[in-house]
Amino acid sequence: QVQLVESGGGLVKPGGSLRLSCAASGFTFSDYYMSWIRQAPGKGLEWVSYISSSGSTIYYADSVKGRFTISRDNAKNSLYLQMNSLRAEDTAVYYCARGFARSKSPAFDYWGQGTLVTVSS
Amino acid sequence: SYVLTQPPSVSVAPGQTARITCGGNNIGSKSVHWYQQKPGQAPVLVVYDDSDRPSGIPERFSGSNSGNTATLTISRVEAGDEADYYCQVWDSSSDHPGVFGGGTKLTVL
Repeated sequence: QVQLVESGGGLVKPGGSLRLSCAASGFTFSDYYMSWIRQAPGKGLEWVSYISSSGSTIYYADSVKGRFTISRDNAKNSLYLQMNSLRAEDTAVYYCARGFARSKSPAFDYWGQGTLVTVSS
Repeated sequence: SYVLTQPPSVSVAPGQTARITCGGNNIGSKSVHWYQQKPGQAPVLVVYDDSDRPSGIPERFSGSNSGNTATLTISRVEAGDEADYYCQVWDSSSDHPGVFGGGTKLTVL
């Protein structure tokens, strides 16, 4: 069965860095585009970043561009999000999500359980 | 950047039909996806490409999209349908194409 397991969240001071990981299993990871999507406490979903199956195409939300870097290692079935210059407004649960192969435009059919990132002094 | 507007809340009695809207400029030209999120859980894709259902999603969930409004319709609403619902599009003309609506809390009375 498809599984996505995020790790790497925690408490970090403003201006600090964190690297999130997402371990994928139960499917051919290299066949799927992936995204990071976050949810601030009590708030809605916010798309953060996208990476194509090969890693050749990457997009970021304006709110994180220049500070966050998405990457993947298809040999290790893993997705990453390097987060630098963190701000209080980056506090959220971060979800790793698999692209849905059957949709005409990117959608997400499997999500991890999320990892909480808290940015506070 | 592209903006999706959802009503904050919708209430419906069990057995009735719930309609949740998602507004956006000429949204009818885009594919709209819908997610259900229950408290403490990750979102679940319930409708994709305006009106298609992933496997395992009941036929009670349907969607439509035209003009400036997309709609998620839940027929014969059950208590277990109470959740937050989010619409999502991919704005391929943008450098930051992923867009979610603000979410709608569905309350089953």
